[in-house]
Parts: sequence; C-alpha cells; structure tokens
Amino acid sequence: GAVVSQHPSWVICKSGTSVKIECRSLDFQATTMFWYRQFPKQSLMLMATSNEGSKATYEQGVEKDKFLINHASLTLSTLTVTSAHPEDSSFYICSAHTVQETQYFGPGTRLLVL
Amino acid sequence: EDQVTQSPEALRLQEGESSSLNCSYTVSGLRGLFWYRQDPGKGPEFLFTLYSAGEEKEKERLKATLTKKESFLHITAPKPEDSATYLCAVEDGGYNKLIFGAGTRLAVHP
Repeated sequence: GAVVSQHPSWVICKSGTSVKIECRSLDFQATTMFWYRQFPKQSLMLMATSNEGSKATYEQGVEKDKFLINHASLTLSTLTVTSAHPEDSSFYICSAHTVQETQYFGPGTRLLVL
Repeated sequence: EDQVTQSPEALRLQEGESSSLNCSYTVSGLRGLFWYRQDPGKGPEFLFTLYSAGEEKEKERLKATLTKKESFLHITAPKPEDSATYLCAVEDGGYNKLIFGAGTRLAVHP
C-alpha cells in the first residue's frame, strides 16, 4: 500500500507559539491531501482539503487563519497551527488521496500546548 | 445529509469467537465505502473499499460486505492482535471527502 509520513510524531509547545506539521506521500504523488484532528475516543474530524498549487478548502467551523495549510508539491502538505492554545491540543492526522481512489493516512502528530 | 453510524460502540470477544461489526449509512450517491483499522496513537490503516451492493472483500480473518444501506465487517476466529478500533467511512460524492462513523472498539481476549 501507499505510504504517508508525518513529522514530527509529537510536539510540545508553549501557548502562543506556532507549530508546523509536515505530511509527505513517500511513494506516490497526491494531488489532494486532507487534514483531520481527533480527540480521545472520538472519530476523525475533517479540518480541510488541500489541493496542490491552490488554496485549501476548510470545513465549517475551522479557522483558516489559525490552521494554515500549504500544499506546495505533489508529495508535501504542511499544517501550521498559529498562536497555539491549550484547546488546540489534539491528534492531527493527514491523508493523501491516490489515483486508485483511496485515502492513505499518516501516523499522526500529537500536539500538546502548555 | 450524509451520515454513517457504526454499531456496536464497543465489542469484547474471546479469542476464536467470530462476530460482525455493522456500519449503516445514508448518502445521496455512494462512491465508495471504506473500512479502516486504527490502533491507539496511530493513524488509520486501510483495509477495504466497497463500491456496489453485493460486493465482498476478504483479507486474512476479515471479510467486508456491502448492501444498499449497510456494510458488515465479519471477523472470523479473531486473535488478540485484531484488537483495535475499526472505522467505517463513505465518500462524499465528487469531493473525495470521507465521512467517518464513530468507530467500533474491538477487544479480543485470550
């Protein structure tokens, strides 16, 4: 199956700082990548859809100025959590859409904001 | 509005005790139904995609089936390593977005 990586796997930061999370498709090109967040014992909640070379499309209720998404190439998308606060602490997961019409997920990034 | 409901919320099985997980869905136009496995602290792992009623797919002890209103994930003679949360999702037609159910937490005890 296709492989998607995320970096870092976990990060701890102080309130008010910004954090960047990278998502890479390692062995395929992905024109579309997705960003999710997941709270403990809950399912995945889609935050935004990222298309290479264009602006991301955000789901209702997701602040686009707080969660900056860049999809600069067919293998890399980044999510930047700006001015992070404790309520932003969560598990962030990306996925990449293949030409076979399947989404493959990264291993996730656990963010803790103190 | 597209919706995915999974049951049961949690399931405890003895090793070797077969069972089924249910995923019922309402969607205007089904483009695909997906099953994923998620271990604690990890991203979902792709299992199956089903596209049309009557379709079945198998992988080791798992078998997924699809009808017009629901999908089942059958687990035959499960082992402790099958313990995980199993997620069902449908594709929102035209946008490749997945709508996930809440998942079924499966625990298989020796």
